Amino acid sequence: GAGVSQSPRYKVAKRGQDVALRCDPISGHVSLFWYQQALGQGPEFLTYFQNEAQLDKSGLPSDRFFAERPEGSVSTLKIQRTQQEDSAVYLCASSPRASGNEQFFGPGTRLTVL
Amino acid sequence: LAKTTQPISMDSYEGQEVNITCSHNNIATNDYITWYQQFPSQGPRFIIQGYKTKVTNEVASLFIPADRKSSTLSLPRVSLSDTAVYYCLVGDRQAGTALIFGKGTTLSVSS
Repeated sequence: GAGVSQSPRYKVAKRGQDVALRCDPISGHVSLFWYQQALGQGPEFLTYFQNEAQLDKSGLPSDRFFAERPEGSVSTLKIQRTQQEDSAVYLCASSPRASGNEQFFGPGTRLTVL
Repeated sequence: LAKTTQPISMDSYEGQEVNITCSHNNIATNDYITWYQQFPSQGPRFIIQGYKTKVTNEVASLFIPADRKSSTLSLPRVSLSDTAVYYCLVGDRQAGTALIFGKGTTLSVSS
């Protein structure tokens, strides 16, 4: 497909489990962003990659959150020892330029921690 | 980053024109104004972007007064499918920074 894809679309985890969320950006897009969206709120920034370099991770809420983009394409957001407050939709977005605020979003992964 | 203020919700009927105004009093010289649309269970979608005056595309128009302290997104002749959350964002288009979303405006269109 031509758009950003994310998998899985839904994930249910027991508290304490580790989860990995995958993002496939649009081919050739330089920038990749992860956002967290709680119910009824706007998306909140987590981290940003330019190619394989993680240039900003200031939004990651704790050291249990880790993101990587080793080959400058697919990215994985990993959450260790999940907590109930981690329940949210995790959105991935990509952009064709290193800068610019026109971003293309995926459908998100809805994470529910029981 | 400039903070934006927009109404929490708006109601409209099919066929009407809808105008959503966003305030951004401390917008910086290099900042652009961008609007996104989000449907339930989907990621936000870029609608329109502008710097000053008026911008129009096939979906909407964006009106920006000379002082740039506010902007108005205009949706002509809305339909039920325009029911969504609309976000106003302000930021430097040249900077590789994340988008800062507020709570947005929930637009409900009825028949």
